[in-house]
Amino acid sequence: QVQLVESGGGVVQPERSLRLSCAASGFTFRNYGMHWVRQAPGKGLEWVAIILHDGINKYYADSVKGRFTISRDDSRNTLFLQMNSLKTEDTAVYYCAKAGAVAAPDYWGQGILVSVSS
Amino acid sequence: DIQIIQSPSSLSASVGDRVTITCRASQDINNNLAWIQQKPGKAPKSLIWAASNRQSGVPSKFSGSGSGTDFTLTISALQSDDFATYYCQQYDTYPFTFGPGTKVDFK
Repeated sequence: QVQLVESGGGVVQPERSLRLSCAASGFTFRNYGMHWVRQAPGKGLEWVAIILHDGINKYYADSVKGRFTISRDDSRNTLFLQMNSLKTEDTAVYYCAKAGAVAAPDYWGQGILVSVSS
Repeated sequence: DIQIIQSPSSLSASVGDRVTITCRASQDINNNLAWIQQKPGKAPKSLIWAASNRQSGVPSKFSGSGSGTDFTLTISALQSDDFATYYCQQYDTYPFTFGPGTKVDFK
């Protein structure tokens, strides 16, 4: 079965960096696009980024463009999110999600908390 | 960016009720809309893709319809396990966007 396990979260000061990882199993990772979606405390879901199966095409939310970078390592079945110049408003639970046959997410990880605070 | 209006923002219902949630996109998104369920403290779960296609394992009581700008999620015969927040998401145009959510709770 599909499993997605996020790691790398924690507490970080503003303007610092953090890298999230998402270990995937149960499907042929290289064949699918992958999303990052976040949820601030008590708020709704916010789409963050997608990387297509080719590893070349990447798209971002305006709120993170230029600060966050999505990448993938198909040899390790792992998705990454490099987060630089973090702001307090980036505090959220971050979910990775597999894209289905179309770009819509079909499976989700359990989420990892990132807290940006001085 | 494409804006999504979702209504109602919350509703109270009873077990056995039929529930309808709507999403309206600010521009034509064809049928590129997904519905997602989230229970408190849990990860989201995808229910519907391409407006009306159920994800694997999703019961038939969940149905989606619509195309263009107006979409509907219907839950027939609400069960206790269905009390949750429901989001729609457009994946037609980058950046992808979610609706603000509809919380379904006990009447």
